[in-house]
Amino acid sequence: KQEVTQIPAALSVPEGENLVLNCSFTDSAIYNLQWFRQDPGKGLTSLLLIQSSQREQTSGRLNASLDKSSGRSTLYIAASQPGDSATYLCAGRSSNTGKLIFGQGTTLQVKP
Amino acid sequence: NAGVTQTPKFQVLKTGQSMTLQCAQDMNHEYMSWYRQDPGMGLRLIHYSVGAGITDQGEVPNGYNVSRSTTEDFPLRLLSAAPSQTSVYFCASSYSQGASQPQHFGDGTRLSIL
Repeated sequence: KQEVTQIPAALSVPEGENLVLNCSFTDSAIYNLQWFRQDPGKGLTSLLLIQSSQREQTSGRLNASLDKSSGRSTLYIAASQPGDSATYLCAGRSSNTGKLIFGQGTTLQVKP
Repeated sequence: NAGVTQTPKFQVLKTGQSMTLQCAQDMNHEYMSWYRQDPGMGLRLIHYSVGAGITDQGEVPNGYNVSRSTTEDFPLRLLSAAPSQTSVYFCASSYSQGASQPQHFGDGTRLSIL
């Protein structure tokens, strides 16, 4: 059974710092891995999707990497801003079942 | 573009009542799914559909029914609401289950069962 784990559960950093959020998964049979952002009381916004054949994806200050062999993905946020404060969720789509399995998220606070 | 639209945004029910959470998407997506989000449990898949007329169970299907009569709509029915079903419910869609297809989420329905 696929399990997705995100560490740390919460993170507080000063504005301007570069940071890395971690996501690990137990089953390497995934179609893709997707990173989402969730603001309090809101839905999920897709940030980046990495297909199983890819190693990384970039969007602005965000860079996501995928290492299937080690079962790990990271989300790198450069030059963090207070507006980046949110919960970040990763989810792996199983190539066996097609289902999306979520981690429990990392809640990020960027202090001015 | 409207994307994925969920209604209502908030609902309070009494134990034993039934209701339907609505989900509609205007992106011609084949794959639709329902999740519930609970503190400490993350998002868990309730039911999903790979196309009109086809539905299947997810991780936590008990107490919920779904149907998919059109590509656009995927309603979730609570048959007899229980306090354990108090949660935030999200509907999601994607073009297919393929590797390059991101999931798009609605804004959620916050449901309280008294």
